[in-house]
Amino acid sequence: EAGVVQSPRYKIIEKKQPVAFWCNPISGHNTLYWYLQNLGQGPELLIRYENEEAVDDSQLPKDRFSAERLKGVDSTLKIQPAELGDSAVYLCASSPDRGTEAFFGQGTRLTVV
Amino acid sequence: AQKVTQAQTEISVVEKEDVTLDCVYETRDTTYYLFWYKQPPSGELVFLIRRNSFDEQNEISGRYSWNFQKSTSSFNFTITASQVVDSAVYFCARLTGANNLFFGTGTRLTVIP
Repeated sequence: EAGVVQSPRYKIIEKKQPVAFWCNPISGHNTLYWYLQNLGQGPELLIRYENEEAVDDSQLPKDRFSAERLKGVDSTLKIQPAELGDSAVYLCASSPDRGTEAFFGQGTRLTVV
Repeated sequence: AQKVTQAQTEISVVEKEDVTLDCVYETRDTTYYLFWYKQPPSGELVFLIRRNSFDEQNEISGRYSWNFQKSTSSFNFTITASQVVDSAVYFCARLTGANNLFFGTGTRLTVIP
């Protein structure tokens, strides 16, 4: 069974440019998470989806970040415009049900220059 | 705040030594889940174990063991006879009753050959 797939693996953009990250969760997993991980830190939750509904986006900086999960499967996280401080690894994870472990993708390493 | 605290930022041990990674959590939930994840240099978070708040039974899996004590809000992780391949960052995490997964700041373990 395929794991959580994220693309791209690496992205370098200039500040003020837009960027998008894509995540394909494990088939059948209803819960999808987006996390941000800064160097030397633990993952920080940005948004959680239950199927296609964003049930917790309280940590998402909505002035520049947006996310969607159309049809409750794939998800896209967008930043517009990117700032230097957005350089980090963006992780996507999915879990099959409440109370179960989340499985993570390899992440997208974003560098804003 | 309902935090997960990993007070040990970095630990170094010599191969074959035992090592314990500490995790202390805060919660107001009566039902919650605790996890340990491993993040090797490749960057992908690997699930190790899940415990629910009603099961305080300790668990052993090969060289890994976990000690969950609700009385002290701790969920510690011990690696017996450490190996170089155990070198990684280890994260403790808690799943809230609302199904949000929060991580500690991680402990970087270095096993010296």
